[in-house]
This record gives sequence, C-alpha cells and structure tokens, in this order.
Amino acid sequence: DVKVTQSSRYLVKRTGEKVFLECVQDMDHENMFWYRQDPGLGLRLIYFSYDVKMKEKGDIPEGYSVSREKKERFSLILESASTNQTSMYLCASSLITRNSPLHFGNGTRLTVT
Amino acid sequence: GDSVTQMEGPVTLSEEAFLTINCTYTATGYPSLFWYVQYPGEGLQLLLKATKADDKGSNKGFEATYRKETTSFHLEKGSVQVSDSAVYFCALWSGGANSKLTFGKGITLSVRP
Repeated sequence: DVKVTQSSRYLVKRTGEKVFLECVQDMDHENMFWYRQDPGLGLRLIYFSYDVKMKEKGDIPEGYSVSREKKERFSLILESASTNQTSMYLCASSLITRNSPLHFGNGTRLTVT
Repeated sequence: GDSVTQMEGPVTLSEEAFLTINCTYTATGYPSLFWYVQYPGEGLQLLLKATKADDKGSNKGFEATYRKETTSFHLEKGSVQVSDSAVYFCALWSGGANSKLTFGKGITLSVRP
C-alpha cells in the first residue's frame, strides 16, 4: 500500500530556531509537495518538486526552503521559525502523469512559541 | 489563475440525511476535478475524480458530476453515516506534468446519530 511518512506528528519550537520537517514516500513517485493547512484558509502550497534536486515555489514560499537530494525524501526547512508559521504541515506525493492522485502523510502539527 | 470555491461550512446532518456539498471552479483549458476527504487525525485521501466534462466520479456512495456549462463539481450522497464525518476538499488540476493541484478551503461535515 502507498505510504507517505512524516517524521514527527507534533513539534514545538522556539522563535528563531531552524526547523526541519522530513517526509519520505515509498512509492517511487516523481512529484512531492509541501502544504500548510490552516482553519478557514484550506490547503496552501508551499513548495513542490517534480524530480531530484528540482524545486518549484508554490503559493506561499516566503520563510521556507526545501531540499530533495533523494527521490523518496523531501524536506521542508524553516530557516528562522516565527509564530505565524504555527500550522499543520502536510506532505504529499504523486506520479508525474496527469490526473495521478496525491497521497498524503498524516501531517505534522508545528507550534512556534 | 485557477481557483476553487466551496460552500461555507460547517455542515451538520443527521444520519441517513441527503448530502450536497457545492463546488465551483475557475480554470483555463480542461481541468480534472477531484474530491479529497480528511478524516480526523489523518492526511487527505482521494475520494473520487472526474477527468472530462459529463464524467461522474463515484466512491463509497458519494458521487459528483463534472458540469462544464456551470463549472461545478458538487458532491452528493444519498444517505450519510456517522463515519462520513470529516473535512471535504474540492480540487482541480489544470496543467501538464509540472502543474499543481488547486484546493478549495474545505468544509467540515458532522453527522450525528
């Protein structure tokens, strides 16, 4: 069965810390995505990647960066965490073909104090 | 740009009631349309999809028909169950291999016994 694993379910960090959110998929998918989910705002795309070492900005990339050194792993980095980055972060992957469904991890609830 | 508009929520229904969740979209070309569902504590999962006009997607008793003339993809179920309580997201995919999924804001459905 398809599996997308996010390394932490809950994370609490202090303002200014560098934060790494890790995501691993076991389906050999080309595409990987990072979203944040906030009440009343739905899902907003932060970054996505369609190949190793490739990345594209999504709708809200400010304050974030990403790394994809291996096909199965896509990391989201908060260079200097701020309180407005407190959110639920969702990782997803998909095949590169059109209409391929996204497979999501269970999310990481990040709180920045 | 692409956008998806969902009806405002939350929605509360009694078990066995009829469900309609409205979704309309704006997109260039011929998008594919999706409904995703998020059960409590989990990531999103694909519920159903339709890839061209007049297609009907169906799964788990839910249905949605791709209406190009009204740019809509409303989700329906004839008889909801308590286990259908979740957040429902409408989404569209309009481009090629490097395109991205655009989500609506989601709507919370609560079904009471």
